[in-house]
Amino acid sequence: GQSLEQPSEVTAVEGAIVQINCTYQTSGFYGLSWYQQHDGGAPTFLSYNGLDGLEETGRFSSFLSRSDSYGYLLLQELQMKDSASYFCAPRIDSYKLIFGSGTRLLVRP
Amino acid sequence: DTEVTQTPKHLVMGMTNKKSLKCEQHMGHRAMYWYKQKAKKPPELMFVYSYEKLSINESVPSRFSPECPNSSLLNLHLHALQPEDSALYLCASSQGGDSYEQYFGPGTRLTVT
Repeated sequence: GQSLEQPSEVTAVEGAIVQINCTYQTSGFYGLSWYQQHDGGAPTFLSYNGLDGLEETGRFSSFLSRSDSYGYLLLQELQMKDSASYFCAPRIDSYKLIFGSGTRLLVRP
Repeated sequence: DTEVTQTPKHLVMGMTNKKSLKCEQHMGHRAMYWYKQKAKKPPELMFVYSYEKLSINESVPSRFSPECPNSSLLNLHLHALQPEDSALYLCASSQGGDSYEQYFGPGTRLTVT
């Protein structure tokens, strides 16, 4: 079976840094993806970690520790437009992503 | 062109109707996906086509019937749906089996009455 945990909601102020954690237990594991979804919108790809360590893409960074079955998404210099849902999604085979329940991020002025 | 398009945007259908959802991509991607997303829930995988062949069916009821006429097109045929099938249906594509990035379309919001 598959098990994923991420916080349901996070609130932060504009300009701050926020970290969204994800722990997983899956039947297979290729790597960990992160997707962003605004209300009424489509999920969009943010980041992928196939190996342990930190990946940085602009204001967003993602980290993976395979031995701990743990990853996080770090969002820096928060902007109002970052208010959205963030999903961690382990890739469990060549094609299959399992989406976590999502973390709703609210950025306040 | 890095876009996945889906039609229609909204669909209301009765339980006895037959309708189809359409998805198109022109990125040369060889894998295409159907997901179902209920309100405030994560996307759930339904089907995967790889190189125009159905490679994954996540035990989806037969009232949902996927079709991949060519490498750019993906259809989802709907028949005798139930009200609980009301959801956002998302199409996605990726380059292939080694690609971790999936590109999602805007979805079709389906209401079954």
